Amino acid sequence: NAGVTQTPKFQVLKTGQSMTLQCAQDMNHEYMSWYRQDPGMGLRLIHYSVGAGITDQGEVPNGYNVSRSTTEDFPLRLLSAAPSQTSVYFCASSSTGGDNSPLHFGNGTRLTVT
Amino acid sequence: AQSVTQLDSQVPVFEEAPVELRCNYSSSVSVYLFWYVQYPNQGLQLLLKYLSGSTLVKGINGFEAEFNKSQTSFHLRKPSVHISDTAEYFCAVSGDSGYSTLTFGKGTMLLVSP
Repeated sequence: NAGVTQTPKFQVLKTGQSMTLQCAQDMNHEYMSWYRQDPGMGLRLIHYSVGAGITDQGEVPNGYNVSRSTTEDFPLRLLSAAPSQTSVYFCASSSTGGDNSPLHFGNGTRLTVT
Repeated sequence: AQSVTQLDSQVPVFEEAPVELRCNYSSSVSVYLFWYVQYPNQGLQLLLKYLSGSTLVKGINGFEAEFNKSQTSFHLRKPSVHISDTAEYFCAVSGDSGYSTLTFGKGTMLLVSP
């Protein structure tokens, strides 16, 4: 009963480096999304996907890329990391993606960019 | 556009005392409202949700919330808190886009002391 799995749990990058944050869910959910959490800011939506092959931008998409080649996986890519991307990143999924469909969250990836 | 305001960033309370965490929202369309809880170093878990029907909603761990459309509020309450309720609580609203693009408040840290 894994739910939403995020890897890695912690990561330190230097400015300009690239990396991919992994997210996988085993609930056959159509909808997946990425949020970042910063102190005093709550959670802000980066990108979301309503099914394989379909992605769209959220509130703060700049500096991040996503793809959705399978229902299960939704990786988040940082092409050239910046200190402003230091944050905790959460992946979330829901069954239908409808507005009344609660989100299931992973345990987060804590990213530090120096 | 929709928005959420959590009026208190931090609420200290003694064990076994009652607590209310305040949440106000704004939206131009019908809304769905959620409360999520985040324990230290974990992802968010759904506490309760209002979709339609009865305005008093009961959730897990003895929490409840009341939807008040005229006051655009969705305050969270518990009659008697435990040390284990210490966590950050997020109010969230959806209903604007057709997908689970939740808009979160900035969070309220509930600190329960003996």
